[in-house]
Amino acid sequence: GAVVSQHPSRVICKSGTSVKIECRSLDFQATTMFWYRQFPKQSLMLMATSNEGSKATYEQGVEKDKFLINHASLTLSTLTVTSAHPEDSSFYICSATLTSGSYEQYFGPGTRLTVT
Amino acid sequence: SQQGEEDPQALSIQEGENATMNCSYKTSINNLQWYRQNSGRGLVHLILIRSNEREKHSGRLRVTLDTSKKSSSLLITASRAADTASYFCATDRGGNQFYFGTGTSLTVIP
Repeated sequence: GAVVSQHPSRVICKSGTSVKIECRSLDFQATTMFWYRQFPKQSLMLMATSNEGSKATYEQGVEKDKFLINHASLTLSTLTVTSAHPEDSSFYICSATLTSGSYEQYFGPGTRLTVT
Repeated sequence: SQQGEEDPQALSIQEGENATMNCSYKTSINNLQWYRQNSGRGLVHLILIRSNEREKHSGRLRVTLDTSKKSSSLLITASRAADTASYFCATDRGGNQFYFGTGTSLTVIP
């Protein structure tokens, strides 16, 4: 089956620094990747849709300058949390689809970000 | 949530009993999917039901969809301790984006 990995699985950073999270599709080419965040005991909130080679589409209320998304290849999307603050501490999950219009989304295992 | 609500928020049952979770959503959809998530882990896809389907089965899972009421239910029969997890519905409005419900935390007591 299609496998999506995320790196790192856990990261702790100091307030004011930037953190990059990678999402890779390991055995398929992903035309579209999605980024979600999940606070403890809450649901997943879609942050942005990322298409290879074009700018990401952000959901309402998500700051594009705060959460930089780059989808430079068909197997890699990155999310950079810039000038992180404690309120950015969350579980970040990515997903990927094989082709546009596909119902299937394959989720990564998530990255736990803690900002101190 | 971005899309809808699930109830109950938490459910605790004995092993062997059935568990029913409900999901309501706000807009028209192409399909609805159910996922489970173990604590602090990624998502596992359980079942997909398309907007023109009313019921679907997969093993011990039964999903219903009522588009007129904008609601879906997930039934897990003969529950096991290993079913303990959070369960989320996710709706696809046709743009590939998934919008998740608030989730139900299920505890199955051995």
